[in-house]
Amino acid sequence: DQQVKQNSPSLSVQEGRISILNCDYTNSMFDYFLWYKKYPAEGPTFLISISSIKDKNEDGRFTVFLNKSAKHLSLHIVPSQPGDSAVYFCAADNYGQNFVFGPGTRLSVLP
Amino acid sequence: GAGVSQSPRYKVAKRGQDVALRCDPISGHVSLFWYQQALGQGPEFLTYFQNEAQLDKSGLPSDRFFAERPEGSVSTLKIQRTQQEDSAVYLCASSLARQSPNEQFFGPGTRLTVL
Repeated sequence: DQQVKQNSPSLSVQEGRISILNCDYTNSMFDYFLWYKKYPAEGPTFLISISSIKDKNEDGRFTVFLNKSAKHLSLHIVPSQPGDSAVYFCAADNYGQNFVFGPGTRLSVLP
Repeated sequence: GAGVSQSPRYKVAKRGQDVALRCDPISGHVSLFWYQQALGQGPEFLTYFQNEAQLDKSGLPSDRFFAERPEGSVSTLKIQRTQQEDSAVYLCASSLARQSPNEQFFGPGTRLTVL
């Protein structure tokens, strides 16, 4: 049973528009979440994170929102750029032991 | 380089063959993690080291999988008698310390194909 879900396998957006990637989790004890970005033939790279004591964290074009009651988080990219095209993984910190990853969403930003 | 490196990048093995995958973490990083990523899936945790101590191996799928980090730096993941279901990308990650939260830095992975 997946503890971290990303129900959209893929997403296409136009350059300059907003990209919204969604993630749901089932374990209410998770208290720290991360987004990783992965290009082909490379390892995942850290993008942005959020603690459960916050509901929003912003870093440049990237904003992560957390809704604890709904066990839902989302990553907003504004404005989207062609270089943002990659697979995005949502991950939950599992009590500092390891990360539990979602299956990923492939984002394509069209010029 | 300053990042996590893994070798080989690609490995093709015949079913039943033993393989060894190497990870060089970032210098000074205490924690080291191994993940398995099947096609179309996210990485799944295999095992975790703090320095040379293997503190968690709950994700290893069978006793054919063995990992070590004898001197607290380089780690090797060994798979004995490989099976087709072992085909995946094996990712290594390191972090500065074992604390929550911790940012893990990933290597490029080793793509294992078992024929």
